[in-house]
Amino acid sequence: AQSVTQLGSHVSVSEGALVLLRCNYSSSVPPYLFWYVQYPNQGLQLLLKYTSAATLVKGINGFEAEFKKSETSFHLTKPSAHMSDAAEYFCAVTTDNTDKLIFGTGTRLQVFP
Amino acid sequence: DTAVSQTPKYLVTQMGNDKSIKCEQNLGHDTMYWYKQDSKKFLKIMFSYNNKELIINETVPNRFSPKSPDKAHLNLHINSLELGDSAVYFCASSLDRGELFFGEGSRLTVL
Repeated sequence: AQSVTQLGSHVSVSEGALVLLRCNYSSSVPPYLFWYVQYPNQGLQLLLKYTSAATLVKGINGFEAEFKKSETSFHLTKPSAHMSDAAEYFCAVTTDNTDKLIFGTGTRLQVFP
Repeated sequence: DTAVSQTPKYLVTQMGNDKSIKCEQNLGHDTMYWYKQDSKKFLKIMFSYNNKELIINETVPNRFSPKSPDKAHLNLHINSLELGDSAVYFCASSLDRGELFFGEGSRLTVL
């Protein structure tokens, strides 16, 4: 069975600072990995996805993530935080042999002026 | 034009009542899902349907019954509501594996 672990339930950064949200995965078969964002009182929105092509994946709103098999990680980064980035971020995993998308416990990103 | 729409957005009801949540998607996707998000924001899949056929049925109490009249609709009926059913229920649809489009959620409060 596959799973993801998000380290840090809360991350706070200043506007303009680097954003780093951590995600480690566990999967016995090649994983497909995703980052989703949830703004207050809204549904989740796909930020980016890794599906065994390029290991560095670029997403919307300036976010990117790098798949590192040796570290079983898929951390999300953004060079410069904006106030509008404040939200809950979820890492998720699935594989070729299931339709089930498993979510991590989420990381709340706060951005201070 | 909303891609995945759920109604109602809010439900407040008493324990023991029955309630339904409706979901419709206009994206032409074959697969639809119900997810439950608890008060700690944890998201858990409940059901998925592919073209009206039940594919995933997690260990959900049988008080929860999904129904898909066609591939654009997936409804959720809950019997004999309990306090622990209070949560936000999200409907989603997908075309490619893992790429889900979510509705805005239906917040259920059981008193």
